[in-house]
Amino acid sequence: DVKVTQSSRYLVKRTGEKVFLECVQDMDHENMFWYRQDPGLGLRLIYFSYDVKMKEKGDIPEGYSVSREKKERFSLILESASTNQTSMYLCASSRQVGNTEAFFGQGTRLTVV
Amino acid sequence: DQQVKQNSPSLSVQEGRISILNCDYTNSMFDYFLWYKKYPAEGPTFLISISSIKDKNEDGRFTVFLNKSAKHLSLHIVPSQPGDSAVYFCAASADGGSQGNLIFGKGTKLSVKP
Repeated sequence: DVKVTQSSRYLVKRTGEKVFLECVQDMDHENMFWYRQDPGLGLRLIYFSYDVKMKEKGDIPEGYSVSREKKERFSLILESASTNQTSMYLCASSRQVGNTEAFFGQGTRLTVV
Repeated sequence: DQQVKQNSPSLSVQEGRISILNCDYTNSMFDYFLWYKKYPAEGPTFLISISSIKDKNEDGRFTVFLNKSAKHLSLHIVPSQPGDSAVYFCAASADGGSQGNLIFGKGTKLSVKP
C-alpha cells in the first residue's frame, strides 16, 4: 500500500518561530510537492522538487523554504511563522514518467498564534 | 489568473440521483486531468483521471468527460451516495505530467442527502 506520511497531524506554533514540516514517501517517487489548502482558495502549490537537492518555486513560495536531501523526504520550512501561515499543509508525491496521479499525505493542520 | 476553475463552490444532490461536477480550464497545454476527493482533516485521494487523447473515462459509478474544444471537463457520479459527500477538486497538468506539477481548482463541496 503506497504511503505519504506527514510527521504531524496538528501543530500549534508561536509567531516568529521556525517551523519544520516533514514528509516521507515510500514509493520511490521522483516528484514531491508541498501545497496549502485554505477555504475558498483550493490547493495552492508552495514548492515542488523533481529530484534530490532540486527545488522549484510554486505559486506562493514567499515565507517558505524547502529541503530535499534524500529522495524519500521533502521538508517544508517556515523561517519565521506568521499568523497568515495558519493553514492545512499537504505533501504529495508522484512518478515522473507518464500520466500519473499524485498521492497525498494526511495533511498537517498548522495554527500560528 | 486561475488556470483551472470550478465555478460552483457547492452542490446538493439527493441520494440515488446523478451528481455532476464541472471544471473549466484555460491552458491549452494541459493534457492530463484528474479528480480528487477530500474529506475534512484528511489529504485528497485520487478518484479518476483522463488523458487529452480521450473524451470519456469510466470507473464504476464515476465517469469523467472531457470536451477539449470547450476546455471543459465534468465528473458524473451515478448513483450518488451519502458517503460521496466531500470536497471534489479538479486538477490538470501539462507534458503528460512529467513534471508532475498539478494545478488545482478551488473545489466543489458535494452534499448527498439521504
